[in-house]
Amino acid sequence: AQKVTQAQTEISVVEKEDVTLDCVYETRDTTYYLFWYKQPPSGELVFLIRRNSFDEQNEISGRYSWNFQKSTSSFNFTITASQVVDSAVYFCALIRGNYGQNFVFGPGTRLSVLP
Amino acid sequence: KAGVTQTPRYLIKTRGQQVTLSCSPISGHRSVSWYQQTPGQGLQFLFEYFSETQRNKGNFPGRFSGRQFSNSRSEMNVSTLELGDSALYLCASSIQGYEQYFGPGTRLTVT
Repeated sequence: AQKVTQAQTEISVVEKEDVTLDCVYETRDTTYYLFWYKQPPSGELVFLIRRNSFDEQNEISGRYSWNFQKSTSSFNFTITASQVVDSAVYFCALIRGNYGQNFVFGPGTRLSVLP
Repeated sequence: KAGVTQTPRYLIKTRGQQVTLSCSPISGHRSVSWYQQTPGQGLQFLFEYFSETQRNKGNFPGRFSGRQFSNSRSEMNVSTLELGDSALYLCASSIQGYEQYFGPGTRLTVT
């Protein structure tokens, strides 16, 4: 069975602080994909990143960076110099590497960035 | 390209009624997935359609059904509504099923 755990239910930081959102996953598959999505108050899920299980390179996109470690089954997300607009619920998700398999989402982490 | 659109955005229904939600995917996307989001259960997968065929189904009762048309537009139907069906229903489209792009959702309230 697949499972995604986001142990941090809520995080509050002050603007300009760095913050890391944790994601731990479980799967028996060797081929899988990991995702991060952002859900602002408007409700629409916004795609942030996709990583396949064979690509452990860390990625940086502006203030966002992702650390994928297969050895610890983790795919953590760091926001550098956080801004109020980063306030949202962030979801980590996993999908198997076969067509027609559904996403398994973590419970989400609510990030509040205070001015 | 236009994004995923869902109609209606808000809906209020009474217990026992049925409801149909609509989703128009991004042009060229053949996979459409549906999710239910509630505060208690989080985001849960309902089903996925690809080229008019249901490819995968989550653990929801038979009251929840869907279909996909030849133009990839999809509808989701819930019959005999229960209070617990109150949720945000999200539709997502993708080319093959991986990188999914979500619509704004339909917020259903059952009274």
